[in-house]
Amino acid sequence: ETGVTQSPTHLIKTRGQQVTLRCSSQSGHNTVSWYQQALGQGPQFIFQYYREEENGRGNFPPRFSGLQFPNYSSELNVNALELDDSALYLCASSLDRVSYEQYFGPGTRLTVT
Amino acid sequence: EDQVTQSPEALRLQEGESSSLNCSYTVSGLRGLFWYRQDPGKGPEFLFTLYSAGEEKEKERLKATLTKKESFLHITAPKPEDSATYLCAVEKSNFGNEKLTFGTGTRLTIIP
Repeated sequence: ETGVTQSPTHLIKTRGQQVTLRCSSQSGHNTVSWYQQALGQGPQFIFQYYREEENGRGNFPPRFSGLQFPNYSSELNVNALELDDSALYLCASSLDRVSYEQYFGPGTRLTVT
Repeated sequence: EDQVTQSPEALRLQEGESSSLNCSYTVSGLRGLFWYRQDPGKGPEFLFTLYSAGEEKEKERLKATLTKKESFLHITAPKPEDSATYLCAVEKSNFGNEKLTFGTGTRLTIIP
């Protein structure tokens, strides 16, 4: 059974640029959630996708957007990057949207300069 | 607003010295409380889910318990490899729009 994978591992961008992060769900999982984790903090919920549709969103501006594909892999897009967007971005998959257990990927470390 | 508070922020123990980590929460309609372990620079690793007050779960040297206001993660005779940040999260029932709300974690260091 393949776990959750994310790419790239690390990324450095300049303020104002756009970035796309990718996530492959664990086999058989149709729900993906994205989280932002600043240094020393717990993960903060960005949004969740279930069967290719957004299924809930946290307190993040519209420049944070996402997609989920028919194979349930997912992308997180961030436009107009700001310095405060520097964080570890985590993707978590679950069996379905009402499943209690979310399994996390290793994360993508984004640095905005 | 849902709130999760973990204490202490950091804990240093000698190998074999048992202790407990606390997670207190304020949420209406708790669906589940989760414990995760996170190593530096990595994603959280799922440990336990607790659904109702009085429930307990164990895994190796770890035991999680739940009351109506808080959860404890008991660590018995810890080893250096138990060093990590332990995160607590709650999930509230929201008609299919469930999300996890995390605490800031307890950074545990086990000294050989």
